[in-house]
Amino acid sequence: KAGVTQTPRYLIKTRGQQVTLSCSPISGHRSVSWYQQTPGQGLQFLFEYFSETQRNKGNFPGRFSGRQFSNSRSEMNVSTLELGDSALYLCASSLGLAGYFQETQYFGPGTRLLVL
Amino acid sequence: KQEVTQIPAALSVPEGENLVLNCSFTDSAIYNLQWFRQDHGKGLTSLLLIQSSQREQTSGRLNASLDKSSGRSTLYIAASQPGDSATYLCAATSGSARQLTFGSGTQLTVLP
Repeated sequence: KAGVTQTPRYLIKTRGQQVTLSCSPISGHRSVSWYQQTPGQGLQFLFEYFSETQRNKGNFPGRFSGRQFSNSRSEMNVSTLELGDSALYLCASSLGLAGYFQETQYFGPGTRLLVL
Repeated sequence: KQEVTQIPAALSVPEGENLVLNCSFTDSAIYNLQWFRQDHGKGLTSLLLIQSSQREQTSGRLNASLDKSSGRSTLYIAASQPGDSATYLCAATSGSARQLTFGSGTQLTVLP
């Protein structure tokens, strides 16, 4: 069974631009969660989508948004990029809502975003 | 608000040594505690998941324990190998939203 895939793997943008990242979960998984990882803040939860609905949201500004499609694929969008948005963005999928089932979350390889 | 701490931030050991990684959390009302491995600049790989009702989980050379009352979990790695070199993160699932809160990780280097 194929793992979680994320595209693109690397991205360079300039301040003020916007960016869209994509995540394809493991086949059959209905939940997709997004995380931001930086050297200073570590891994921080962004949001979780389940059945095309945002079920949970972390403490990030409204510039960070996402959506999930009927095939469970998810996209994350960051508008008006800032230098501090440079990070590794990870998505993870699980069969059901994260934390509600015994199975763990399976992480993708991440998208490394550099904002200049 | 849940806070997860991992000490030490970095650890270097010779090959073959047994070692323990520590994880502490402030809110003992957790649903589960997970240990992940992250190779440099890559995604996370799940190692072990301990449900709140369990005391420990084992997988191969890895053993994770959970003590909710003291807010602590440990990951025991037996007979360490250079291939074990990576950053190990623990994460607690807690709160009404069952959100995952990660520690900052322990960077392990196993010297051949």
